[in-house]
Amino acid sequence: NAGVMQNPRHLVRRRGQEARLRCSPMKGHSHVYWYRQLPEEGLKFMVYLQKENIIDESGMPKERFSAEFPKEGPSILRIQQVVRGDSAAYFCASSPGQGARMNTEAFFGQGTRLTVV
Amino acid sequence: TQLLEQSPQFLSIQEGENLTVYCNSSSVFSSLQWYRQEPGEGPVLLVTVVTGGEVKKLKRLTFQFGDARKDSSLHITAAQPGDTGLYLCAVTRGAQKLVFGQGTRLTINP
Repeated sequence: NAGVMQNPRHLVRRRGQEARLRCSPMKGHSHVYWYRQLPEEGLKFMVYLQKENIIDESGMPKERFSAEFPKEGPSILRIQQVVRGDSAAYFCASSPGQGARMNTEAFFGQGTRLTVV
Repeated sequence: TQLLEQSPQFLSIQEGENLTVYCNSSSVFSSLQWYRQEPGEGPVLLVTVVTGGEVKKLKRLTFQFGDARKDSSLHITAAQPGDTGLYLCAVTRGAQKLVFGQGTRLTINP
């Protein structure tokens, strides 16, 4: 999973600020997934993106959260007006293009640990 | 309610002992995955099981998929401190979305 790069590794924000989390997929991967992990819990799916398209955002909170994966550059998970409940580890995973299956060909990054104070 | 129920939630044993952790559901799955997550890291895929009753071995780890493809177990023989971590089971929903259990946090004491 070393190939999926997330930054920053740790992010501290005050309530009301914006948080931007970045994910560069493995070379050759065009699918990106974001997951959130609360303390002592498993990972919860948030959003699945391909280049310039959101494919499935069924796990995204309706407000304050957005994600993009532009033609050039990393995928961005943006949280506006953060609240304490947003404190969590956010993981990105990537997989190859069409035909790949998430369960066998996805690799996770090391995560961004967001702390809202 | 959780789609995947993992038990136990926490397990602390001595080095050299054997252990089994479980992943249960009332749903049937075409495949199931086990991941290990170490502190400060992302999950790493250990194995995918596909066929009902399938057994896969990865060194001292033995994974079994239930005959009805609703549950799975992970058995570790002669546990070592390096086995310490969070063990997660997961299934694919739709084509591309993983649903995880809440995990078993395993601690192996030297």
